[in-house]
Order: sequence, then structure tokens, then C-alpha cells
Amino acid sequence: GAVVSQHPSRVICKSGTSVKIECRSLDFQATTMFWYRQFPKKSLMLMATSNEGSKATYEQGVEKDKFLINHASLTLSTLTVTSAHPEDSSFYICSVRGPYGYTFGSGTRLTVV
Amino acid sequence: GQQLNQSPQSMFIQEGEDVSMNCTSSSIFNTWLWYKQDPGEGPVLLIALYKAGELTSNGRLTAQFGITRKDSFLNISASIPSDVGIYFCAGQVRNTDKLIFGTGTRLQVFP
Repeated sequence: GAVVSQHPSRVICKSGTSVKIECRSLDFQATTMFWYRQFPKKSLMLMATSNEGSKATYEQGVEKDKFLINHASLTLSTLTVTSAHPEDSSFYICSVRGPYGYTFGSGTRLTVV
Repeated sequence: GQQLNQSPQSMFIQEGEDVSMNCTSSSIFNTWLWYKQDPGEGPVLLIALYKAGELTSNGRLTAQFGITRKDSFLNISASIPSDVGIYFCAGQVRNTDKLIFGTGTRLQVFP
């Protein structure tokens, strides 16, 4: 599958600030990437589908103004958590569908204090 | 959001034992995937299933795509300590690229 790099792996930020998470497809030009959120001991929940050159498609219940997604190139999608609050603390994971299936990034642990 | 029901929720087994877990859905999926997730990491693909009835092996792992396309199981034979982790099934939503994940099975292996 595709090689996916996610950065940072961990971030701690103050309440009210914004945090950007990057997802890179290193060996595959991805027109579509996916962003998931995972709470402790829970499953992965799809937040949005990131579309290169156009607006992201958000799942029901996900605030698009809170979770800004930008997919400006075929190898990079970013998720920005705006005006973060403690309840936004979670594990965020991106995914790329490559020629041999879906590959996931190693995740970003966000802690908002 | 939509989820697949996975059972059991957790398993505590002894090294060398075989393990079986399954995943069911009220919806039909065209693709079933099984992933393993270690703490603090993203999921890693174990087995992919593309046809109803398909039985596929990957080393000590065997998975099957149910005939009704609404379920799948994963078997692990002769478990070893490094099998510890959370196992997720995932189904690809028809006519989309989206994956829906199961609720997960947490596996603990004792020596």
C-alpha cells in the first residue's frame, strides 16, 4: 500500500489555540485522503474525506468550521483544529487509499490543556 | 455514526491458543478488511477480502467474507505475545471510498 507519514505524533496545546496536523502520502499521488478520530478504547470514527483541489466532505455531526481540512496537493492534506478545547483532545489518524488498499498514518495524539 | 458490531469485545488467552473474532453488520459491504492497532499507532492491514465467501490466509491469520456480505470472521492460530493489540474489522461503504470500522476486539496473550 501507500506510505503515509503523519506529523506531529504528539501535540499539547492551550485551550483556544489552533493546531495543524499534516498527512503526507510519500509514494502515491492521492486525490482523496481520510481523517479519523479515535477516543481512548474506542473505534475509529470517520470525520471527513479530504479532496484534492476542492472542499472536504464532512461526516454528519462533524463541525467543518472547527476541523478545517486543506488538500492543496496530491501528497499533502492538513487538518487544523481551530480554537481547541479540552473535549477536542483525541487521537487523530489520516488514511490514504492507494493502489493496493487503505494505509493509515501513525496518528497524532492531541491534548488540549 | 455507523459502526460494525465486533465480538468479543476483549479476549484473554494463553500463548499457543487459537483465537476467533467476528464482525457483523446490518448493511452489505463489498470489501471487508481486518486491521491490527498497537497502542499509540495507526491501524495496520492484516487481511483484505473482496468476494462473498472468500477465505484468505496470511500466515497464522485466516479471515472469511460471509456469504451474505454482512459478516466476517478472523482466526488467529497458535497465538504469540506479539499478537497483543486491538483488532478492527472495517467495511467499505458501497459506491464510496469510505471505510466504517468495527467496535474492536482487544486481545491479551499471556505466556
